[in-house]
Amino acid sequence: SQQGEEDPQALSIQEGENATMNCSYKTSINNLQWYRQNSGRGLVHLILIRSNEREKHSGRLRVTLDTSKKSSSLLITASRAADTASYFCATVLSIGYSTLTFGKGTMLLVSP
Amino acid sequence: DGGITQSPKYLFRKEGQNVTLSCEQNLNHDAMYWYRQDPGQGLRLIYYSQIVNDFQKGDIAEGYSVSREKKESFPLTVTSAQKNPTAFYLCASSEGNTIYFGEGSWLTVV
Repeated sequence: SQQGEEDPQALSIQEGENATMNCSYKTSINNLQWYRQNSGRGLVHLILIRSNEREKHSGRLRVTLDTSKKSSSLLITASRAADTASYFCATVLSIGYSTLTFGKGTMLLVSP
Repeated sequence: DGGITQSPKYLFRKEGQNVTLSCEQNLNHDAMYWYRQDPGQGLRLIYYSQIVNDFQKGDIAEGYSVSREKKESFPLTVTSAQKNPTAFYLCASSEGNTIYFGEGSWLTVV
């Protein structure tokens, strides 16, 4: 099964509202990353948080990591229609060489 | 511009045919990857290469083959042994912890 699982699967909000997506994982990680994918396009890296960090910010993005609960959240503040996309979390394991393992993603729709 | 170029964007394959998807990067990255994405799903790793002339199977390598003869190129061949090849294929390269993706190739079996 996949390492990361996002929740909810789909989220619909109005412009200006905040959007929160969650990611849970199963095994110890070195870092966790969030990516964005516009429909039919490649993924774009948004932010990386290491296992010894609890919170990171980048512009309107805020990511938290709770290693005791094996979970992370991505908050997008003051959403815009252009934020409409799928958002994926991906984990890098803490042991040995590890490639990124992606979850199934959260589809975010921001309506004007 | 620096980046990852995948071609073709759209490809149709007849049953029993092999097809090759091209992936070229000019980012000077050592590591390259191929992922498959099915509708509404996450990405699954097919093959990856950490260095020229070396590559490793990912989670779903059966029915696929790759080569890494040059640092900048990592072509993926979808063979006739792949029973359900219709999907969106993403090539990527990495430096450190961050992966950079191409724009993807849509493969449809007709």
